[in-house]
Amino acid sequence: DADVTQTPRNRITKTGKRIMLECSQTKGHDRMYWYRQDPGLGLRLIYYSFDVKDINKGEISDGYSVSRQAQAKFSLSLESAIPNQTALYFCATSDGVRDTGELFFGEGSRLTVL
Amino acid sequence: GQNIDQPTEMTATEGAIVQINCTYQTSGFNGLFWYQQHAGEAPTFLSYNVLDGLEEKGRFSSFLSRSKGYSYLLLKELQMKDSASYLCAVLDSNYQLIWGAGTKLIIKP
Repeated sequence: DADVTQTPRNRITKTGKRIMLECSQTKGHDRMYWYRQDPGLGLRLIYYSFDVKDINKGEISDGYSVSRQAQAKFSLSLESAIPNQTALYFCATSDGVRDTGELFFGEGSRLTVL
Repeated sequence: GQNIDQPTEMTATEGAIVQINCTYQTSGFNGLFWYQQHAGEAPTFLSYNVLDGLEEKGRFSSFLSRSKGYSYLLLKELQMKDSASYLCAVLDSNYQLIWGAGTKLIIKP
């Protein structure tokens, strides 16, 4: 089983719908991240959380919200999806980037907004 | 602004050596990372450099020159399974990762 699990893996939805992407991890890491990846662009950080009570906006947080329900769970919501939110979304965890320098990624959630 | 540049695509032959370059301009520097990403899959960690010089790990090596804002990833004895995208990322002064768009490496027999 994957250490970082994302659901759903694929989702097609319509403009204006509310969508939630879920992420759970068994690595015991405190830090969790949501990124989106678009063709020709680097990974862009949406939100990150360093512990259950800590939520921080990333580079492109507009149109998104998150919830850190527990150390192991971090959900990303699109309150009213729009077509330019069509992308591949990755959840990632780390044990502290300063210390290990390594992010552990989930398998990705491909979202299409029509 | 912050910027990371790497070639969009490279082609190499199985068994050969390839060097993927990465140049960066960021607000501060706390390390540079290389990740490998196969098509449709998650990125996986390859290397981390924070001091100048070469770090070798099996067939893969990564080099850093902080004064030049430059790094490269060297892949030796290329195998077909090395066909993937290679992502360069820099940890800036706020300990935020800035990602390049990635280099798609195509290996030909």
